[in-house]
Amino acid sequence: QSALTQPASVSGSPGQSITISCTGTSSDVGAYNYVSWYQHHPGKAPKLMLYEVSNRPSGVSNRFSGSKSGNTASLTISGLQAEDEADYYCNSYTTSNTVVFGGGTKLTVL
Amino acid sequence: EVQLLESGGGLVQPGGSLRLSCAASGFTFSSYAMSWVRQAPGKGLQWVSTISGTGGSTYYADSVKGRFTISRDNSKNTLYLQMNSLRDEDTAVYYCAKGFEVAVVTALEHWGQGTLVTVSS
Repeated sequence: QSALTQPASVSGSPGQSITISCTGTSSDVGAYNYVSWYQHHPGKAPKLMLYEVSNRPSGVSNRFSGSKSGNTASLTISGLQAEDEADYYCNSYTTSNTVVFGGGTKLTVL
Repeated sequence: EVQLLESGGGLVQPGGSLRLSCAASGFTFSSYAMSWVRQAPGKGLQWVSTISGTGGSTYYADSVKGRFTISRDNSKNTLYLQMNSLRDEDTAVYYCAKGFEVAVVTALEHWGQGTLVTVSS
């Protein structure tokens, strides 16, 4: 049950695009298209931003997009806005019927 | 509107026990698997446990296996987490979360606000 690997931090200016990677193994990210991404503002409940790699729940901006290749998934945020500043976590379903999170990435909007 | 409200957190001594509850509303509770996820101070999110919609299947992180028990009462729309033999490293905010399917959790669609558990002497 090792955590998925994410960069500790990323940053970008308003209007720019950033990408956060999430690397796992053939037992989690590479096994299924069940990768999800969560936005977490400190003190608040985490919010689902993408599920099944690239599907957006109702109400989530289309500035958020996802992809996957092999054992690595990615979250891209385009047209960065100040409100996007938060911690982002990837998550994957595993071959053990469990889920595993990434270590989290702190996004700073400069 | 889906609502998840955790309760039962507090201060407990190492080796002690605590039971968390999560009251659910706004959806057919028994039709969805549910999970507990925690966040220790200054750390990231960590999955703790999942239970199927019927309660017949349960899954645990290695770090809590044998000490924590997840359960649900579908007649009361309530999820539980019984935590025994608590350790300092169990100190965290504990969130309950709703999945998309009945059998397993592949993603966590809705989250509660969390309840703080502090293990300290």
